[in-house]
Amino acid sequence: DTAVSQTPKYLVTQMGNDKSIKCEQNLGHDTMYWYKQDSKKFLKIMFSYNNKELIINETVPNRFSPKSPDKAHLNLHINSLELGDSAVYFCASSLAGGSGANVLTFGAGSRLTVL
Amino acid sequence: GQNIDQPTEMTATEGAIVQINCTYQTSGFNGLFWYQQHAGEAPTFLSYNVLDGLEEKGRFSSFLSRSKGYSYLLLKELQMKDSASYLCAVMDSNYQLIWGAGTKLIIKP
Repeated sequence: DTAVSQTPKYLVTQMGNDKSIKCEQNLGHDTMYWYKQDSKKFLKIMFSYNNKELIINETVPNRFSPKSPDKAHLNLHINSLELGDSAVYFCASSLAGGSGANVLTFGAGSRLTVL
Repeated sequence: GQNIDQPTEMTATEGAIVQINCTYQTSGFNGLFWYQQHAGEAPTFLSYNVLDGLEEKGRFSSFLSRSKGYSYLLLKELQMKDSASYLCAVMDSNYQLIWGAGTKLIIKP
């Protein structure tokens, strides 16, 4: 059973389009995250939700909108896609956000290519 | 600002030992993590240090010195499958993870 699953794995689209990436975790974790990993391999936190509630919202264009229908799901919707949005987007989850030993379990990543 | 530094790339020989260093400057400290990321895959958790000293886990060990803002990951008896990127991440006083850019480790036969 996949612990953190995200779809699609690959997404190729044109500039200006709107797209969504879905994420689900079956670990019973309370906290879920979206990370962006660019070509330089830096992992940048975008959003964090704890029990459906937004707790981290880094400086991300408002074209990116997360939605958490329940604590097992955190989807990412992106409007008006730009070339610079091309990256790998990782979903992750953890037992509790505000804890030191906060081990993240990552999904396999969604590679977004904007043409 | 907050900063995590680690070498961009290292090369080592199968069967040998390699040490990957990480230095950090963060607002507070609530632990340091090492993750392994194979090309095209997700990062996976390797180790967590919050107290000074060495934590050993099989072929992998991780060391922390909080006073020096320094950690290293030690990999022994290197295998070809250890070729991957190794990411250092520090949890700051707000329990946010600050990530390094990762060290790409290349293992040669």
